[in-house]
Amino acid sequence: NAGVTQTPKFQVLKTGQSMTLQCAQDMNHEYMSWYRQDPGMGLRLIHYSVGAGITDQGEVPNGYNVSRSTTEDFPLRLLSAAPSQTSVYFCASSYGVGSYNSPLHFGNGTRLTVT
Amino acid sequence: DAKTTQPPSMDCAEGRAANLPCNHSTISGNEYVYWYRQIHSQGPQYIIHGLKNNETNEMASLIITEDRKSSTLILPHATLRDTAVYYCIVRVPLGGNQGGKLIFGQGTELSVKP
Repeated sequence: NAGVTQTPKFQVLKTGQSMTLQCAQDMNHEYMSWYRQDPGMGLRLIHYSVGAGITDQGEVPNGYNVSRSTTEDFPLRLLSAAPSQTSVYFCASSYGVGSYNSPLHFGNGTRLTVT
Repeated sequence: DAKTTQPPSMDCAEGRAANLPCNHSTISGNEYVYWYRQIHSQGPQYIIHGLKNNETNEMASLIITEDRKSSTLILPHATLRDTAVYYCIVRVPLGGNQGGKLIFGQGTELSVKP
């Protein structure tokens, strides 16, 4: 198993550009989520999904869109990048409904800089 | 999901036990306590979880108070490689509209010193 794979590892954008951060998992996990982490800060939840076709907002959803068309993939879209979105982005997944043993598995992060 | 409170930082001498506290006074009956750690800027790593009973694995022990309002993560013999930020979160099993919004908070920055 590759686990949770995030691409790209690094990205530099200009203000106003759009891009998609990719997240894929091969563990058949129902639950997937996106966090951002700013320097010296904890993890803040952006969006999450409890299964294909279902998404919901986290703590800081503004400026980001998500969709979940398959169990494996959960892309995060920035429609018009802003400097405030400079951050490290982590994707995570876990087993889902009814599971009592569902630790989150995290990817290695995408480091995004918006100039 | 209930919120958690942790001290922002702690120090521990190498070879000694590191005891990291977490307060979760609003925890409900079906919420599990999970601990993760993050070393440098890597993705967080799962350590241990529990519901009511104390738990132990190869990495750590988890002590949950009888009223479940607080817990302590114990690293029995801390090494320099245990220097990291430790996060305590509570989670209900996923179902219906529950269990999805996992809030991590700031965590505790543990410094293990020689």
